[in-house]
Amino acid sequence: DAMVIQNPRYQVTQFGKPVTLSCSQTLNHNVMYWYQQKSSQAPKLLFHYYDKDFNNEADTPDNFQSRRPNTSFCFLDIRSPGLGDAAMYLCATSPQKGYEQFFGPGTRLTVL
Amino acid sequence: RKEVEQDPGPFNVPEGATVAFNCTYSNSASQSFFWYRQDCRKEPKLLMSVYSSGNEDGRFTAQLNRASQYISLLIRDSKLSDSATYLCVVNIRNTGNQFYFGTGTSLTVIP
Repeated sequence: DAMVIQNPRYQVTQFGKPVTLSCSQTLNHNVMYWYQQKSSQAPKLLFHYYDKDFNNEADTPDNFQSRRPNTSFCFLDIRSPGLGDAAMYLCATSPQKGYEQFFGPGTRLTVL
Repeated sequence: RKEVEQDPGPFNVPEGATVAFNCTYSNSASQSFFWYRQDCRKEPKLLMSVYSSGNEDGRFTAQLNRASQYISLLIRDSKLSDSATYLCVVNIRNTGNQFYFGTGTSLTVIP
């Protein structure tokens, strides 16, 4: 089945220790998004790729970086995780801008 | 002012009841509208896109009112499995096709 896959599902890291979260999709969608979601809050967009065109949200901390080496994969790098970065990180895809988004199961990040 | 606003609830309704949620949006350039369902500690899942003419999928009906800038979701004959948080999502083309999420409305269906 076509889908959005995220690995790992749970990630524990130490304060300041870099971590990489991955997302892959078999939907062949052009657009990929990374969201951060904290408890009882709406998902917050960090950045998105339209094909290879990277779009960073103005309030996304520099601590967060992303790579999209090909259509299928997208990575979220957190260079120096702080306690405030503990959250669910959601990857989503969309065939084109403005169309429905399809979410992966998320990676729950814990920072010790 | 938030781009998308929802009543957070919680809505607690008995099985079989009909329940309706509204969501208001502030930007008249909003182009696409969606309802997502999110279970606790899970990802949002697309429930319905909302079309100008309104649309229905089984027990679920979505409506769009552009003049008053709100969308609605009606759930008929509520099931226990409908218990979840319902997220209203709006896409605004002139902001680079940005998606704006409401904070969600919590629904619990009680036996």
